[in-house]
Amino acid sequence: EAGVTQFPSHSVIEKGQTVTLRCDPISGHDNLYWYRRVMGKEIKFLLHFVKESKQDESGMPNNRFLAERTGGTYSTLKVQPAELEDSGVYFCASKLGLAGGTEAFFGQGTRLTVV
Amino acid sequence: RKEVEQDPGPFNVPEGATVAFNCTYSNSASQSFFWYRQDCRKEPKLLMSVYSSGNEDGRFTAQLNRASQYISLLIRDSKLSDSATYLCVGPPGGYNKLIFGAGTRLAVHP
Repeated sequence: EAGVTQFPSHSVIEKGQTVTLRCDPISGHDNLYWYRRVMGKEIKFLLHFVKESKQDESGMPNNRFLAERTGGTYSTLKVQPAELEDSGVYFCASKLGLAGGTEAFFGQGTRLTVV
Repeated sequence: RKEVEQDPGPFNVPEGATVAFNCTYSNSASQSFFWYRQDCRKEPKLLMSVYSSGNEDGRFTAQLNRASQYISLLIRDSKLSDSATYLCVGPPGGYNKLIFGAGTRLAVHP
């Protein structure tokens, strides 16, 4: 069974440009999460989808970030316009259910560098 | 105060050593905790869940102390392959997202 896949694995863009990250969760997982790790900091929650609905977007840094999950399958996270402080590793995770003991599976991440 | 705080590390230990990591949490309503392992430039992977009664998986033992609000991970007979960053993870009183500690780096040397 395929795991969580993310694309691209690396992206280097200039300040002010737009970048779109994609996440394909494990098939059948209704719950999809975006997380981010910036240099030297802990992994931080960005938002949570249940199917196509945003359940919790309390971690989104500002309105330059837009996440979508049309059709409840894959998700995109767009940063527009990108700033230097957006650099970091963006992880996507999916989870089958919401029960506390259910494991969240992570993708390998997209390493974003804004120059 | 951070919701999940970990030992800063790094821990440098010889093969065969026993090493323990601690993690404290601030939300007394939190029910579920986990230890994730993250190798360099890789994604976090679940190592084990942490239950009140404690749980053991081979060389790894996890404990939860609700009274003192801390979680521990004990690794016995360390192997070179145990070298990684260990992340203490909990939900803030709910199950809808994971809150990560900053991680503790473990380096096992020959």
